[in-house]
Amino acid sequence: RKEVEQDPGPFNVPEGATVAFNCTYSNSASQSFFWYRQDCRKEPKLLMSVYSSGNEDGRFTAQLNRASQYISLLIRDSKLSDSATYLCVVGRSNSGYALNFGKGTSLLVTP
Amino acid sequence: GAGVSQSPSNKVTEKGKDVELRCDPISGHTALYWYRQSLGQGLEFLIYFQGNSAPDKSGLPSDRFSAERTGGSVSTLTIQRTQQEDSAVYLCASSLGLEKLFFGSGTQLSVL
Repeated sequence: RKEVEQDPGPFNVPEGATVAFNCTYSNSASQSFFWYRQDCRKEPKLLMSVYSSGNEDGRFTAQLNRASQYISLLIRDSKLSDSATYLCVVGRSNSGYALNFGKGTSLLVTP
Repeated sequence: GAGVSQSPSNKVTEKGKDVELRCDPISGHTALYWYRQSLGQGLEFLIYFQGNSAPDKSGLPSDRFSAERTGGSVSTLTIQRTQQEDSAVYLCASSLGLEKLFFGSGTQLSVL
């Protein structure tokens, strides 16, 4: 089983829609969780960290479910500029290599 | 500069040749990562440097790959006897720890 798994999509949604992505991870010792965004032919950039209590940043809401070992990203009121690939990133302990990237979920927001 | 700098941005080489890819991390960042990404694929971890600790080389795909980080700053990824399957975008990232990674724009390697 891969350490971080995501539905590759693509998710095609109209502008203004709400869309949610899930990501599952296999290592129960994982301690840190992030969503990164990658535009076509560009480098990944941090979108938001994911905290145990859940967190919101504008139209974006991230949640963590440790019991089921998944994290989610909810995007409300989708914009055309939200079209990108969303990468789920999970970190193990602070010693040694820590960050595993999922393969990403592709989102296309259409007019 | 303020960001992670990688060079060259593009590299075309012939099968069997050696290549060196360079990464200049953000000043003060103690952690440095190398990843590679093939077309349409996810990021594949290669190697991780954290301060003066021994690097985590668990992601290097073969002994043709090596990397070093001199003086805790600049890093060089070397691929010996390149093969066509080595063609990918090689991304470097730096961070202050287990938190936000700042990526460079990558080196597109094409092995003919």
